[in-house]
Amino acid sequence: QSALTQPASVSGSPGQSITISCTGTSSDVGSYNLVSWYQQHPGKAPKLMIYEVIRRPSGVSNRFSGSKSGNTASLTISGIQAEDAADYYCCSYAGRSTFTYVVFGGGTKLTVL
Amino acid sequence: EVQLLESGGDLVQPGGSLRLSCAASGFAFSSNAMSWVRQAPGKGLEWVSAASPGGGTTYYADSVKGRFTISRDNSKNTLFLQMNSLRAEDTAVYYCAKDEEMLYYFDYWGQGTLVSVSS
Repeated sequence: QSALTQPASVSGSPGQSITISCTGTSSDVGSYNLVSWYQQHPGKAPKLMIYEVIRRPSGVSNRFSGSKSGNTASLTISGIQAEDAADYYCCSYAGRSTFTYVVFGGGTKLTVL
Repeated sequence: EVQLLESGGDLVQPGGSLRLSCAASGFAFSSNAMSWVRQAPGKGLEWVSAASPGGGTTYYADSVKGRFTISRDNSKNTLFLQMNSLRAEDTAVYYCAKDEEMLYYFDYWGQGTLVSVSS
């Protein structure tokens, strides 16, 4: 059982927008603006897509955006394209006092119909 | 260009040991914290361990604490993970990742090395 809860799957048609939720607790997502999102294609390494809740690394499309409200973070992909089909993982810093440090979500499989 | 190249993965019997390596290039290795993250077959990502830039501060997930040891050789730009008392549930692809800020997020990842624990 993962520490952060994500839907197992989401789907959408090309051009649509989709949102993936990531629910944690007041000890991780709710306490720190240190949520990150990773994209992973089959057989490939994860790739950083969003960090510090809303920031996009250089080279990542502006179709990807992040947000957070309370203990739940979200990743929105606008105008989804075929190449966006992948697994997406959220991640949060969980502090050092709890000895948990870093927690991941279980992953969400995005299907582009 | 940042490159992280893991090696050392193998098939090992339960109770055995293995040492993974991660050769880094393209950035100031000695100035960055580094982590290991693993992924069991068909499963999600699990953070395993992190080391500070100098290696003096280390953190471990509860699932590996007392069995795994992270270390680094900054003179050789290499990160290590010594894995002892291996269990079947340690079977996974192990990724080396560069921490932008220790434990905050991982901006570069290697391609991974497979560790299989089975008799």
